[in-house]
Amino acid sequence: EDQVTQSPEALRLQEGESSSLNCSYTVSGLRGLFWYRQDPGKGPEFLFTLYSAGEEKEKERLKATLTKKESFLHITAPKPEDSATYLCAVRSQGGSEKLVFGKGTKLTVNP
Amino acid sequence: DAGVIQSPRHEVTEMGQEVTLRCKPISGHNSLFWYRQTMMRGLELLIYFNNNVPIDDSGMPEDRFSAKMPNASFSTLKIQPSEPRDSAVYFCASSFAGIEQPQHFGDGTRLSIL
Repeated sequence: EDQVTQSPEALRLQEGESSSLNCSYTVSGLRGLFWYRQDPGKGPEFLFTLYSAGEEKEKERLKATLTKKESFLHITAPKPEDSATYLCAVRSQGGSEKLVFGKGTKLTVNP
Repeated sequence: DAGVIQSPRHEVTEMGQEVTLRCKPISGHNSLFWYRQTMMRGLELLIYFNNNVPIDDSGMPEDRFSAKMPNASFSTLKIQPSEPRDSAVYFCASSFAGIEQPQHFGDGTRLSIL
């Protein structure tokens, strides 16, 4: 059974204080690892897809990386508007479109 | 571009009542997903459709839950009878299957069963 574990559950940073969020996964053949951002009262918003170990994607202050067992979401010089819950999900090989999500990391960036 | 549209945004009802949640996917998308989000269990897939056909309903909790997709632009998730433990936020998402594209989510229905 595919599993996704995210850590930490919550993270508080000062504006400008860089850090990383972790997503560990077990899956029978990875067909995509997805990062989403979720704001309160909203649905998850797609950020990145990673497909193979060594791959990296960047968007503004965010950079996602992937190894064979985990993914990191690096946040460089965060701003208060980066405060949100960040969700990681995996899709395994085979014909299914099913995503298995982690429980997320709630990030708070204080000004 | 219009995103995934869900209605209602909030629903409060009493135990035993029938609840119907509605979803309009993004035009052109051929896969539709229903998720439930709770603090305890996170975001869980309930069922998904491909070209209006249910493909995987293994996440549907029990027979009280049913989902339909009568056409490419509309889906419903029904709970009958509802119970307090069904209280959660229900999300609908859509994507274009067959190529590697992400799922796009609506803003959810917050359901409270009293």
